[in-house]
Amino acid sequence: AQTVTQSQPEMSVQEAETVTLSCTYDTSESDYYLFWYKQPPSRQMILVIRQEAYKQQNATENRFSVNFQKAAKSFSLKISDSQLGDAAMYFCAYRSAVGSARQLTFGSGTQLTVLP
Amino acid sequence: NAGVTQTPKFRILKIGQSMTLQCTQDMNHNYMYWYRQDPGMGLKLIYYSVGAGITDKGEVPNGYNVSRSTTEDFPLRLELAAPSQTSVYFCASWVRHINQPQHFGDGTRLSIL
Repeated sequence: AQTVTQSQPEMSVQEAETVTLSCTYDTSESDYYLFWYKQPPSRQMILVIRQEAYKQQNATENRFSVNFQKAAKSFSLKISDSQLGDAAMYFCAYRSAVGSARQLTFGSGTQLTVLP
Repeated sequence: NAGVTQTPKFRILKIGQSMTLQCTQDMNHNYMYWYRQDPGMGLKLIYYSVGAGITDKGEVPNGYNVSRSTTEDFPLRLELAAPSQTSVYFCASWVRHINQPQHFGDGTRLSIL
């Protein structure tokens, strides 16, 4: 079974600065997908960015980018020019490319605080 | 453009009571999921369905039941509610395509007292 580990329960960043959230995962599969979800106090699960394991190029979505290191099984999220609205719980998630369920396996989350 | 709709948003139950959490999606997705999120934790899979009439257990199925009579609806049934089932419940749906994400409902906060 796959596992996802987020070793930083809490992080803080100054507004307009850059912060990196860490995520590692364990799998024996070669084909899979990785995601970062944002959960604000409203509880909504908002997709931030996704990465296909077969793509070597790191995904980027505006101020959000990832550093995907497949051999190291690492998938960190970088938030540039942090804004107050970025404050939320961030979850790293893994999805297999095979199997019947194709469910998401989540890490335990990182609570991000943005300081004005 | 409703997406995934969950009802109710909040509910308080007494120990031993039963209830059904409703989930419906209007995107014609074949896959549907129920997750639970305990405080300070990530989501864990309870049950999933790959299509109408087909359901299967996830990581934490004990104390729950599901059914999938239509593509749109995937209700989650709690029988004999226990304090350990106090959690936030999320329903999600997905269409099996190369890189499509799962779509989540807004969650149901359930307290068992």
